[in-house]
Amino acid sequence: QKEVEQDPGPLSVPEGAIVSLNCTYSNSAFQYFMWYRQYSRKGPELLMYTYSSGNKEDGRFTAQVDKSSKYISLFIRDSQPSDSATYLCAMSDPETSGSRLTFGEGTQLTVNP
Amino acid sequence: DTGVSQNPRHKITKRGQNVTFRCDPISEHNRLYWYRQTLGQGPEFLTYFQNEAQLEKSRLLSDRFSAERPKGSFSTLEIQRTEQGDSAMYLCASSIPSRETQYFGPGTRLLVL
Repeated sequence: QKEVEQDPGPLSVPEGAIVSLNCTYSNSAFQYFMWYRQYSRKGPELLMYTYSSGNKEDGRFTAQVDKSSKYISLFIRDSQPSDSATYLCAMSDPETSGSRLTFGEGTQLTVNP
Repeated sequence: DTGVSQNPRHKITKRGQNVTFRCDPISEHNRLYWYRQTLGQGPEFLTYFQNEAQLEKSRLLSDRFSAERPKGSFSTLEIQRTEQGDSAMYLCASSIPSRETQYFGPGTRLLVL
């Protein structure tokens, strides 16, 4: 079993839709949670970072963490064609893993105009 | 702040050849990471440095792989006797110890024929 499982894609939505991207994890030692966006043939770009359960909002993006259920989500409101990319969840356990990031497989999102 | 840079961006080589990639981290970031990403997968951790010390290596890093960061600034990743299975995107990231967020470069795409 992989430490981090991400909802498989691809996901296709109309412009303006609310998008929900989800990951579950098995390692309860993970303390830090990140979402990255990766455009085709580019490096991952950090979108959101959080370390506590609850919600964190940044513009159209909301990151949600539920440590008791080992579940994280990223919500995108008013989705735009420019949001079309692969979204990667990532997590780390700095106390035992030296801040290495463990990634999900990614969800490819297409927002149609 | 010019971000993490990687060179070359693309490399095509024949099986059995040696290749070397370079990563220049964000200035003042003393942690540097290498990851490998294959098509449709999330990045997988290879190794990381704090200053010039290589603190952790993944089991993915076979003895054909070697990484260095001689002066605690840029890093090189060398693959000896390349195999077709080495074809992937090699990503470099950097961070500072007080922050768990890692910033990625554009990657080096390797194709082994």
